[in-house]
Amino acid sequence: NAGVTQTPKFQVLKTGQSMTLQCAQDMNHEYMSWYRQDPGMGLRLIHYSVGAGITDQGEVPNGYNVSRSTTEDFPLRLLSAAPSQTSVYFCASSLTGGLSGANVLTFGAGSRLTVL
Amino acid sequence: ELKVEQNPLFLSMQEGKNYTIYCNYSTTSDRLYWYRQDPGKSLESLFVLLSNGAVKQEGRLMASLDTKARLSTLHITAAVHDLSATYFCAVNFMEYGNKLVFGAGTILRVKS
Repeated sequence: NAGVTQTPKFQVLKTGQSMTLQCAQDMNHEYMSWYRQDPGMGLRLIHYSVGAGITDQGEVPNGYNVSRSTTEDFPLRLLSAAPSQTSVYFCASSLTGGLSGANVLTFGAGSRLTVL
Repeated sequence: ELKVEQNPLFLSMQEGKNYTIYCNYSTTSDRLYWYRQDPGKSLESLFVLLSNGAVKQEGRLMASLDTKARLSTLHITAAVHDLSATYFCAVNFMEYGNKLVFGAGTILRVKS
């Protein structure tokens, strides 16, 4: 059981380049989300999805796009990378979006992105 | 505004000592989570607290929730080096579309 798989683990980009961070889960979770982690700021929600075909913005969505064509996959796209997007990105999933049960998030291993 | 404040943000303690990490939040919540993150690693779930007065314990860690005070505590008993990590609380704000907000994290260093 792989859980939540993120790729790549490390990436260096130049300003203006685009890239996609991949996230896949094999737990049949309805809810998937992307967070960025910056020192002293905890985790901030970028985008989330409560099911295939449904996405919504979180706290810091600017500069990022997402799509959810399948239950398993939730890629995060950086359209035109900026140095302010240098961060560690985590994908997380849970069984549902929060209306029932404990809904503990399962996190991927993280992707460290540096934008020069 | 939805706020989750943790304190202290950094805690250096000797092995064998007790200490408490506090998590305050700004408005009504239906559940609160504690996560642990080891350096360079992902986050793993420690506790989920679902109701007022809830107490959960695992080894040397005990978490509690007081919804009236909007406060959760993570108590460390007789700290050991293996507890060194960053601890996050995360609060689910049900009246705001189930928005989950993380605290800034508490970096815990247990010295031998």
